[in-house]
Amino acid sequence: EDQVTQSPEALRLQEGESSSLNCSYTVSGLRGLFWYRQDPGKGPEFLFTLYSAGEEKEKERLKATLTKKESFLHITAPKPEDSATYLCDTNAGKSTFGDGTTLTVKP
Amino acid sequence: DSGVTQTPKHLITATGQRVTLRCSPRSGDLSVYWYQQSLDQGLQFLIQYYNGEERAKGNILERFSAQQFPDLHSELNLSSLELGDSALYFCASSVGRRGDWNTQYFGPGTRLTVL
Repeated sequence: EDQVTQSPEALRLQEGESSSLNCSYTVSGLRGLFWYRQDPGKGPEFLFTLYSAGEEKEKERLKATLTKKESFLHITAPKPEDSATYLCDTNAGKSTFGDGTTLTVKP
Repeated sequence: DSGVTQTPKHLITATGQRVTLRCSPRSGDLSVYWYQQSLDQGLQFLIQYYNGEERAKGNILERFSAQQFPDLHSELNLSSLELGDSALYFCASSVGRRGDWNTQYFGPGTRLTVL
């Protein structure tokens, strides 16, 4: 059975304190890994798609990387507005979302 | 704004009742997906339609059903509602060429409360 595990469940950072979120997966025939940001009570918002091991994508303070078993979302010098739940999703014929990492950035 | 619309925004009903949630995908998107998100829980994939046909199925209960119409909008029908069905229901759409799983764009969700 396809599995996606995100860690940590929750992460509290001070503004400017860089860190990484992890998404490890066990799926057959991965066709892509997606990162989304979700604010409370709202629909997830697309951030990145990664298709192959070694691929990296960047957007502002976020950088996503992919290996054969996991993906990382690196957050550099975060700001309070980066506070949200970050979800990863694998494409292997059907969608499998992880439970997310809730990030809180304190000013 | 993702371009995906969902109605209604909120729905309050009683146990045993039946409701219909509606989703209009982004212009040009052929795939529609439905998800359930209970309080403090992750997104549970329910079902995907591609150009009117069922494409993939997740953990969708038999009391739930969905369809995609010729104009590509989709409806999720929930019947014999139970308290545990209270959740946010999201619809997403993608270009969804056959065999691909493209980036999904999510609607704002419908919050269902079953009393």
